[in-house]
Amino acid sequence: DSGVTQTPKHLITATGQRVTLRCSPRSGDLSVYWYQQSLDQGLQFLIQYYNGEERAKGNILERFSAQQFPDLHSELNLSSLELGDSALYFCASSPGTVLTDTQYFGPGTRLTVL
Amino acid sequence: DAKTTQPPSMDCAEGRAANLPCNHSTISGNEYVYWYRQIHSQGPQYIIHGLKNNETNEMASLIITEDRKSSTLILPHATLRDTAVYYCIVSHNAGNMLTFGGGTRLMVKP
Repeated sequence: DSGVTQTPKHLITATGQRVTLRCSPRSGDLSVYWYQQSLDQGLQFLIQYYNGEERAKGNILERFSAQQFPDLHSELNLSSLELGDSALYFCASSPGTVLTDTQYFGPGTRLTVL
Repeated sequence: DAKTTQPPSMDCAEGRAANLPCNHSTISGNEYVYWYRQIHSQGPQYIIHGLKNNETNEMASLIITEDRKSSTLILPHATLRDTAVYYCIVSHNAGNMLTFGGGTRLMVKP
């Protein structure tokens, strides 16, 4: 158990819909990272927040957005869903912003778009 | 960040040492080598990282060549639970993201 929690575990929805994935970081961690893992693209970094502020952006689509709240939990919003958005979405947390701060990953949310 | 090359798959007998190689010939002087693993669709798990010197922790050892162009992750006594995809990542410490490649799928067999 990494101490990072993600809800829901599974999500099944239809094309065109909008969903919200939630992540609670480990106690004391200020950074939250979102990653997407699909069969054809592998594990890809989407976005990082540090203490409420966006810190870095990766290959995140404009239809996707995220935020980190004052209590440090984070939400990833996916809208106008397409079949290709079906993937595992992982959240990770770390104490700071450098990579030598270990990133602890949650169990993931499996999104299926039908 | 430097590109890494790993064999797509490897087998190891249970109880034996698993030696997973990683080539990173374009690594720059201030880039670290990180190893994470992912056990069947679970979230990736940190194993170890190093800059120049060899490193050891309770999970594994990391051997980095003197020219830093390659490294080897060593699991000293592999168990069935070590079956996973192992990712070698090279990045600056100030980098914001882990860039995962294809990794090596390690199968530990009884």
